[in-house]
Amino acid sequence: EDKVVQSPLSLVVHEGDTVTLNCSYEVTNFRSLLWYKQEKKAPTFLFMLTSSGIEKKSGRLSSILDKKELFSILNITATQTGDSAIYLCAVDNYGQNFVFGPGTRLSVLP
Amino acid sequence: DAMVIQNPRYQVTQFGKPVTLSCSQTLNHNVMYWYQQKSSQAPKLLFHYYDKDFNNEADTPDNFQSRRPNTSFCFLDIRSPGLGDAAMYLCATSRDLAGYTDTQYFGPGTRLTVL
Repeated sequence: EDKVVQSPLSLVVHEGDTVTLNCSYEVTNFRSLLWYKQEKKAPTFLFMLTSSGIEKKSGRLSSILDKKELFSILNITATQTGDSAIYLCAVDNYGQNFVFGPGTRLSVLP
Repeated sequence: DAMVIQNPRYQVTQFGKPVTLSCSQTLNHNVMYWYQQKSSQAPKLLFHYYDKDFNNEADTPDNFQSRRPNTSFCFLDIRSPGLGDAAMYLCATSRDLAGYTDTQYFGPGTRLTVL
């Protein structure tokens, strides 16, 4: 059965801390892994990863994929209160379906 | 056990021929959402139901309609599909209105092809 697991499910940090969010997956036909940030109704897109070992960066956020070990991490450095959100990891099962993880709820305290 | 189920998983329709996609949930959640996702873009929210209260996004075309006959089921009707409507359609649910405090549970999606 295809599945995506995220850890931790919930995380509380203080502003300025660095956090690492984890996503592991088991799918039949991997095409890409996507990270989203959910603050309001609809998730916003952060990264799409298709190749192992290539880090993607956007400001204080970065992500990398390991296709051998079947996981990805999302790093956020110098966290701000505006980073508080649920971070969703999803895997594109080669166009057959999307498998979403349960999300990591990040709370950044001032 | 599947919590958000979408049927069919693949749907092929002809240009202009109405199509209905189905979503059901076993979570007894109040809110159900329909999203359209194209390639690697973020899912685009079309509308959501909070219980029986329908909420349409401002930029959702009139071609897209939805019905929620009961808590468990929600349907997406595309009245006259165009080629640009070919996409993955995702259904999601949440206990309360999703946001920072309430995560969404997504179904596997229905891939719509328009010929």
